[in-house]
Amino acid sequence: AQSVTQPDIHITVSEGASLELRCNYSYGATPYLFWYVQSPGQGLQLLLKYFSGDTLVQGIKGFEAEFKRSQSSFNLRKPSVHWSDAAEYFCARFTSGTYKYIFGTGTRLKVLA
Amino acid sequence: NAGVTQTPKFRILKIGQSMTLQCTQDMNHNYMYWYRQDPGMGLKLIYYSVGAGITDKGEVPNGYNVSRSTTEDFPLRLELAAPSQTSVYFCASSYSQGNSGNTIYFGEGSWLTVV
Repeated sequence: AQSVTQPDIHITVSEGASLELRCNYSYGATPYLFWYVQSPGQGLQLLLKYFSGDTLVQGIKGFEAEFKRSQSSFNLRKPSVHWSDAAEYFCARFTSGTYKYIFGTGTRLKVLA
Repeated sequence: NAGVTQTPKFRILKIGQSMTLQCTQDMNHNYMYWYRQDPGMGLKLIYYSVGAGITDKGEVPNGYNVSRSTTEDFPLRLELAAPSQTSVYFCASSYSQGNSGNTIYFGEGSWLTVV
């Protein structure tokens, strides 16, 4: 079955440090990939998405992600983390042929002042 | 812009009671989804619909039912509430043509506790 894996359950970084959140997807044609952020008690907000074309995609709040087909990865990065980035981050893929969006288990980011 | 609206936001149910979580979207999206979120488990798909009159089971459909009589509405029914259904429920929608994916938009969530 097609799946999305986020290997890191928790990540802690200092404010101002760089960030990389990992996401791996199982093999499948035409991956539509997404990163969402969820603040406590809130719904999910789209950060960025990849459908095709340039493998480096820019999103909101200074985030970017790079699609690497050879590694089946879609890692999320930010060069300098702000305290307000503390939240839970979800990677997701749209599974062609099944009409379903599959989510990873999430990575909870803690930011130290 | 309303987007995806879920009600109620919070609810406490007793074991065996029934209830319906309401979901409506005003974006004319054809696809709608119900997910549940449990700590450390991410989002699990309960049911989904690709258009009015069409619904299908997701990963964890047991104990739930849905209907899609209109494009806008996708209610989730819990017939006999059980403690295992204590969770946060998210309704979501997207617009897709053919077999392609598109951004999925979420409601703000419904916190359900079964005691």
